[in-house]
Amino acid sequence: DSGVTQTPKHLITATGQRVTLRCSPRSGDLSVYWYQQSLDQGLQFLIQYYNGEERAKGNILERFSAQQFPDLHSELNLSSLELGDSALYFCASSSQGTGNTGELFFGEGSRLTVL
Amino acid sequence: GQQVMQIPQYQHVQEGEDFTTYCNSSTTLSNIQWYKQRPGGHPVFLIQLVKSGEVKKQKRLTFQFGEAKKNSSLHITATQTTDVGTYFCAGAGGTSYGKLTFGQGTILTVHP
Repeated sequence: DSGVTQTPKHLITATGQRVTLRCSPRSGDLSVYWYQQSLDQGLQFLIQYYNGEERAKGNILERFSAQQFPDLHSELNLSSLELGDSALYFCASSSQGTGNTGELFFGEGSRLTVL
Repeated sequence: GQQVMQIPQYQHVQEGEDFTTYCNSSTTLSNIQWYKQRPGGHPVFLIQLVKSGEVKKQKRLTFQFGEAKKNSSLHITATQTTDVGTYFCAGAGGTSYGKLTFGQGTILTVHP
């Protein structure tokens, strides 16, 4: 158990819909990272938050947005869903937020299926 | 942007054989990490290398960081069926501040 909690574990929805994925980091960790894992793309970095502020951005689509709340949990919002958005979405947390990312602790992931 | 390439994509070995996966970055890295993801699981941190030329060992696993800090390798001696999974390298540094770029991963299958 990494200490990172992600909900829901599985989600099936239709194209055009909007979903929200939730992540609670390990106790004490201020950084939250979101990664997308699909079969042909490996682990793609989406975005990082540190103590409520956006710290780094990867190849995150404009249809996707995220935020980190004062209690440090984070949400990833995916809208106008397309078939290609079907993937496993991982949240990870670390105690560090600048420079060296330090060890990342991954949650079990949220598997999104868009039909 | 920074790219991290990892080879091979797949590796099948007989139990007891050695295994090596290689990682190459398009830019100089400040550090490199290695993760293992078991089938159906999530990535789990194995190790971080920071210094040029660094070599670290964990039992049957040997990790190396290149002198130029642009490449790395993971070598497993005498593989066991418990080594099955996907091994990822992940690099950070340069303009990728705060961003850990993962390689595509090497999927290791160990035949008993």
